[in-house]
Amino acid sequence: DQQVKQNSPSLSVQEGRISILNCDYTNSMFDYFLWYKKYPAEGPTFLISISSIKDKNEDGRFTVFLNKSAKHLSLHIVPSQPGDSAVYFCAASASRGSARQLTFGSGTQLTVLP
Amino acid sequence: DAEITQSPRHKITETGRQVTLACHQTWNHNNMFWYRQDLGHGLRLIHYSYGVQDTNKGEVSDGYSVSRSNTEDLPLTLESAASSQTSVYFCASSSDGFGNTIYFGEGSWLTVV
Repeated sequence: DQQVKQNSPSLSVQEGRISILNCDYTNSMFDYFLWYKKYPAEGPTFLISISSIKDKNEDGRFTVFLNKSAKHLSLHIVPSQPGDSAVYFCAASASRGSARQLTFGSGTQLTVLP
Repeated sequence: DAEITQSPRHKITETGRQVTLACHQTWNHNNMFWYRQDLGHGLRLIHYSYGVQDTNKGEVSDGYSVSRSNTEDLPLTLESAASSQTSVYFCASSSDGFGNTIYFGEGSWLTVV
């Protein structure tokens, strides 16, 4: 039973447009959410996070939105660039705002077309 | 720069052999983790440790073991390798505290034939 779900295995967008990646979770104990980016043959790298006390966090071109009532979060990338092409993993933690242990979604492959 | 390194990066082994994947971090992080990545499953937690002499089972721990004798290292041992353990393995570490993150190594590709 997957507690963190990314229902879109892949997404293609044009360069300069917005990319929206979605993630749903079922465990109401999750209180800290993170997005990781992964290039082939490399380890995942941290991108952005959000605590359950917020509904939005922004860092440059990347914004994460959290809707606790719907148990849904999304990552917006604006504008999208070819270098953003990677697998994006959503992750969640139930460790009181600490990334002591993460539960990951299955990932979404983003392709940004030039 | 502090870092987390895994070795070997690539290994082919035979069914039934014992295999150990090494993980070393220089951040002095208390928390260390082993994940495996498989298509359609994302990253799944195998074992984790919150400090020296502490080890805990994760979601997919059967057939794996870890030991934590110092802060820097968390080796992962496959006691008797099986074809189902062919995967990419990622070691990771984190500090304690609110709003932190987990840092990953570059991965170890293991093929069991």
